[in-house]
Amino acid sequence: DGGITQSPKYLFRKEGQNVTLSCEQNLNHDAMYWYRQDPGQGLRLIYYSQIVNDFQKGDIAEGYSVSREKKESFPLTVTSAQKNPTAFYLCASSIAGAETQYFGPGTRLTVL
Amino acid sequence: AQKVTQAQTEISVVEKEDVTLDCVYETRDTTYYLFWYKQPPSGELVFLIRRNSFDEQNEISGRYSWNFQKSTSSFNFTITASQVVDSAVYFCALSEVNRDDKIIFGKGTRLHILP
Repeated sequence: DGGITQSPKYLFRKEGQNVTLSCEQNLNHDAMYWYRQDPGQGLRLIYYSQIVNDFQKGDIAEGYSVSREKKESFPLTVTSAQKNPTAFYLCASSIAGAETQYFGPGTRLTVL
Repeated sequence: AQKVTQAQTEISVVEKEDVTLDCVYETRDTTYYLFWYKQPPSGELVFLIRRNSFDEQNEISGRYSWNFQKSTSSFNFTITASQVVDSAVYFCALSEVNRDDKIIFGKGTRLHILP
């Protein structure tokens, strides 16, 4: 089945640790996105990538890093520099920039 | 600048009632897409519909219908005969085809369908 997978579903991290969230898609989409969602809030764009080996900062990139070495993969690293990392993280992909985005099931990150 | 406003933060209706979720947008572009997504309690955003700016025809899909009016910059979503399974957060979104490479989301409307 074609789709987007995110792992793990739940992630716990101690303060001061970096952690990497996985996002994989087999839809052959060029564009991929990372969003953060806080309780009761909307989506905020962290990073996005239109093509392999290229990515751009979104609205809240500070404390996060990404890589796009393969078309199907767009991992997000939450670094210790991110002050309030506890949130729900959603990955999405689309054929191209302005087109329909399809979302993964999300990863809920909790910092202990 | 592009902007999407969902003025209703939370709505509660009794099952079987009809409910309309409002969405107002701002854009400088003449070519754009409008979207609606549903986020059930599980968290994953589910794509519902996309409309392009040149197609103002209303759309109906089962109990769901969408009313796109360029004159008022609105793209409202109506659920007819609501069901408990419709309880979710609904997001309206906009992308400007020629100007940008991302989608702008509204803040969402949380819909409670009461049994």
